Amino acid sequence: DAGVIQSPRHEVTEMGQEVTLRCKPISGHDYLFWYRQTMMRGLELLIYFNNNVPIDDSGMPEDRFSAKMPNASFSTLKIQPSEPRDSAVYFCASSLGGAGGSSYNEQFFGPGTRLTVL
Amino acid sequence: AQSVTQLDSHVSVSEGTPVLLRCNYSSSYSPSLFWYVQHPNKGLQLLLKYTSAATLVKGINGFEAEFKKSETSFHLTKPSAHMSDAAEYFCVVSTNAGKSTFGDGTTLTVKP
Repeated sequence: DAGVIQSPRHEVTEMGQEVTLRCKPISGHDYLFWYRQTMMRGLELLIYFNNNVPIDDSGMPEDRFSAKMPNASFSTLKIQPSEPRDSAVYFCASSLGGAGGSSYNEQFFGPGTRLTVL
Repeated sequence: AQSVTQLDSHVSVSEGTPVLLRCNYSSSYSPSLFWYVQHPNKGLQLLLKYTSAATLVKGINGFEAEFKKSETSFHLTKPSAHMSDAAEYFCVVSTNAGKSTFGDGTTLTVKP
């Protein structure tokens, strides 16, 4: 398996522009997570999906952020309009959840997208 | 509800000496517990996991952790530090609901 795939790996954009980050989870995984990591705030959970349905989006900073998961193999995180304070590394992770089981809940992380907003 | 506390934000050891990274957790249910490592400019990688089997868990690169329910702890140890162990380490608690809670991370520095 190729693991979790994120694109782009690096994104530099200007304030006010729309940014779309993409994620392909591991095939068969039913949970997908979006995280943001900065020096100031550490690793923050933004939103997670179960079976393509958003379960908890309480970590999404504001209305400028939106996430979708149109099918089991693809998710996007969109920022519109972007601001310099959105500069961070954004990670996508997937896991196989469920009621019990020794292999459940381990999250597999993608390599991250480093976003710089000028 | 669940939470995790990493007791040290920074740990510094000399190469060849033992490593101890401390983690306490709270959970309303029987949790799964994990340690992840993140090297600079890299994603997070699973080191080891506890899922209600043996309380002493062995992971990659010589790391191990012991689940102590009475102390609600899951400390990470390694007998002898290597320069390549320098990284940030995250303790994570998870329940069957699928959501995981990450600690704030511990930065491990290894001095030559």
